[in-house]
Amino acid sequence: GAVVSQHPSWVICKSGTSVKIECRSLDFQATTMFWYRQFPKQSLMLMATSNEGSKATYEQGVEKDKFLINHASLTLSTLTVTSAHPEDSSFYICSVRAYSNQPQHFGDGTRLSIL
Amino acid sequence: AQTVTQSQPEMSVQEAETVTLSCTYDTSESDYYLFWYKQPPSRQMILVIRQEAYKQQNATENRFSVNFQKAAKSFSLKISDSQLGDAAMYFCAYSRVQGGKLIFGQGTELSVKP
Repeated sequence: GAVVSQHPSWVICKSGTSVKIECRSLDFQATTMFWYRQFPKQSLMLMATSNEGSKATYEQGVEKDKFLINHASLTLSTLTVTSAHPEDSSFYICSVRAYSNQPQHFGDGTRLSIL
Repeated sequence: AQTVTQSQPEMSVQEAETVTLSCTYDTSESDYYLFWYKQPPSRQMILVIRQEAYKQQNATENRFSVNFQKAAKSFSLKISDSQLGDAAMYFCAYSRVQGGKLIFGQGTELSVKP
């Protein structure tokens, strides 16, 4: 069965709106969650590392005010794309990990289209 | 900084044949993890195989095996008896033992011909 639930799977919205994406760990308490972005035919680029109860660590070049990450519990992390614009259209994927020596389990991703 | 390089953007194999996907990486760490992930058109990321650097023995998972050459920093994936369902994008990835964020290669798109 699925280890990670990511919702929504596809969202289309108007430019200027904010979009929230949820990532839930179903099988275990995830101390760490990761958020990736993937453009068509390209690799996954890590956006940020989310640790429960603390601020997310953003990768260089990722705007923390643009991409708000909240990891309020050991099973839920959210990514909010604020004031989304067409250039934010992409595929966003989360992953969860129980401990540092365990592999990451990925959600099914969210296809975000900004009109 | 660690880097992962996949020099084959596209590969093709005949059904039932064997194909090898290449991956090289760069790191100054002595212990780390290496992975191969499969991403089919559904875009779900599926873990194919995992190798721990301190283990000399190459990891295998059914038809999938790796050739891990630590000194050469090479980590290739061999797919035996290729099936149509193996068609996908394959990503090689690296992570440190502590911290554990994944660093992905550029990907290799594998097509399987019937």
